[in-house]
Amino acid sequence: AQSVTQLDSQVPVFEEAPVELRCNYSSSVSVYLFWYVQYPNQGLQLLLKYLSGSTLVKGINGFEAEFNKSQTSFHLRKPSVHISDTAEYFCAVSDRTGGFKTIFGAGTRLFVKA
Amino acid sequence: GAGVSQSPSNKVTEKGKDVELRCDPISGHTALYWYRQSLGQGLEFLIYFQGNSAPDKSGLPSDRFSAERTGGSVSTLTIQRTQQEDSAVYLCASSSGSSHSYNEQFFGPGTRLTVL
Repeated sequence: AQSVTQLDSQVPVFEEAPVELRCNYSSSVSVYLFWYVQYPNQGLQLLLKYLSGSTLVKGINGFEAEFNKSQTSFHLRKPSVHISDTAEYFCAVSDRTGGFKTIFGAGTRLFVKA
Repeated sequence: GAGVSQSPSNKVTEKGKDVELRCDPISGHTALYWYRQSLGQGLEFLIYFQGNSAPDKSGLPSDRFSAERTGGSVSTLTIQRTQQEDSAVYLCASSSGSSHSYNEQFFGPGTRLTVL
């Protein structure tokens, strides 16, 4: 079974500052990893995903994440945030070995201040 | 359709009543997922349908919850004898994935269920 831990429930940050949203997972098998974003009053959408290959993946809106197998982490980063990045961010893991049941973390609310 | 749709958008019911929540996936998508989103709890996996395979029901919290998918398209999540702790947003997602490759999940807007 897999589990996902998002270490920060809320992250306040000033506009144009860098941000890192932390995600750790546990799994006994190989996994796919994802970050989804939910903007206020909108549905979830995929931000980026790690399936295989390069451990640094780039997503939409200037976000990137790095898969670290030894630390079982998949932290999300952006070098300079905008007010429009204010949203809830969810880290998720899916089992590679059968089906695509996806387990989500509790979410991190990013609040960007002017 | 253009995206995943869910109905109703809001449902208020009394404790003990049964409710049905509907999901219309993107046309042609073979995989369909139900999740529950509660405040501070993130998304909780409920059930997953893939083509004609038996659904993965491992996330259903009790036998009051059931789901079906008719004709490989529309899905209905049924909650019997609702309890106050069932209050949450119920999200549906679909993807074009087969069992052999990952494909992006597209989410619907959700149904907000309130049990009084």
